[in-house]
Order: sequence, then structure tokens, then C-alpha cells
Amino acid sequence: RKEVEQDPGPFNVPEGATVAFNCTYSNSASQSFFWYRQDCRKEPKLLMSVYSSGNEDGRFTAQLNRASQYISLLIRDSKLSDSATYLCVVNTGNTGGFKTIFGAGTRLFVKA
Amino acid sequence: GAVVSQHPSWVICKSGTSVKIECRSLDFQATTMFWYRQFPKQSLMLMATSNEGSKATYEQGVEKDKFLINHASLTLSTLTVTSAHPEDSSFYICSAPGSYSPASQFGYTFGSGTRLTVV
Repeated sequence: RKEVEQDPGPFNVPEGATVAFNCTYSNSASQSFFWYRQDCRKEPKLLMSVYSSGNEDGRFTAQLNRASQYISLLIRDSKLSDSATYLCVVNTGNTGGFKTIFGAGTRLFVKA
Repeated sequence: GAVVSQHPSWVICKSGTSVKIECRSLDFQATTMFWYRQFPKQSLMLMATSNEGSKATYEQGVEKDKFLINHASLTLSTLTVTSAHPEDSSFYICSAPGSYSPASQFGYTFGSGTRLTVV
């Protein structure tokens, strides 16, 4: 089983749609979680951190369920510019030594 | 915010030659730098972790003698692909923990990546 698993997609949605991505992780000791966005042939860029209480940034909502070891990202009112690959990232450890695992990414295509 | 400058952006080299990739932290000190490789449509795979003033830590399956990492200062880490072969063609990216807090809270700052093509 992969340490971080994501549905690879692709998700093809029309503009204005709501789309949700899921991510599961295997290490229950994982401490911090992020969603990154990666455009084709570009570096990943931090989209948002994921907190246990859930957090929202505009059209984006991230949630964490530690009991189920599950992270989600919800995008509302999709824009053409949201088309990208979304990476789930999980950290385990602390500043003395930590390990970061990237999911393989979920590809999103938003169409007019 | 924290910026990591990576050069070159792309490079084409002949098989058997060596290529050096540089990553500089521009407005913060990066005691740790992570080096990743990404093949098309695949995830970022951690190759090694470089630590300023000490030897790099390599992930299992990554050849230390082939991928030389040097972290000589708090703002510069380099990856040298020695005796490159076509199968080394990939997208190489460096990243450093957020400058103002441990990575556990604010994620990583990535370089812009280097696309290496070995012919």
C-alpha cells in the first residue's frame, strides 16, 4: 500500500462545478498535511495547509479526518484556471527529522 | 516570502557528461534542502536531503556517487548528475522548509525546477 494515495483522475468538470479530491495516508503518526498545486512542467506551489478543524480559503476548503487518515480538498465554482494537478502532501516527524511524502496527484481539467 | 532560486531551468547534455544544478535560498537561510526527481505523470520522489555542513542523506535506491550533493553554505545547495545517461532525463526540483517555521506548519518553498534531457 502506498503511503499517500490519491485518485489520479483525471477529473473533467465544467466551469462552475464543485469538485472534491480525496487523499488517504497510511502512517497514523503523520503530523501535518498540505495540498499543493502543480501546473504542467512547473514546480509545485502550496495551495493550503490542512488543519484538523478544517480550513477554507475562498473557493477552496480542506478537511482532515485523523481517525480515518483521510484528507480532502473541495473546490467550488471551478474556474478554467483551476486546471492543474493537485498533490496531497503528508509530513511525519519534527524539525529533528521528518519525512515528506507526496501523493501522485489528481489531475483536474475545467472546461468552458 | 521565502524564495528558492534554481538554475538552470533546462539543460540538454550528451550522455557521459556531468550536469550541476544549483539551488539558492534568496531571503532566508536553508540549513536543509530536499532534492526531488519527477518523471512525466508521476509523483515527486525524494532523492536526498542535504544538510549544511554535513553529508547528504540519500533515499534508498539513489546512487550517492552518481548524484553528488553539496550544501556548502546556508544559502546554496548543489546537485551534480555525474556521467549522465538518457534514463537520468527528468525534472529535478529542490525545496526548502518554510523560512519562518518548521515545515510542519508552513510547507515548503520549491525551486522552479530543472528539466534535464540527456541525449
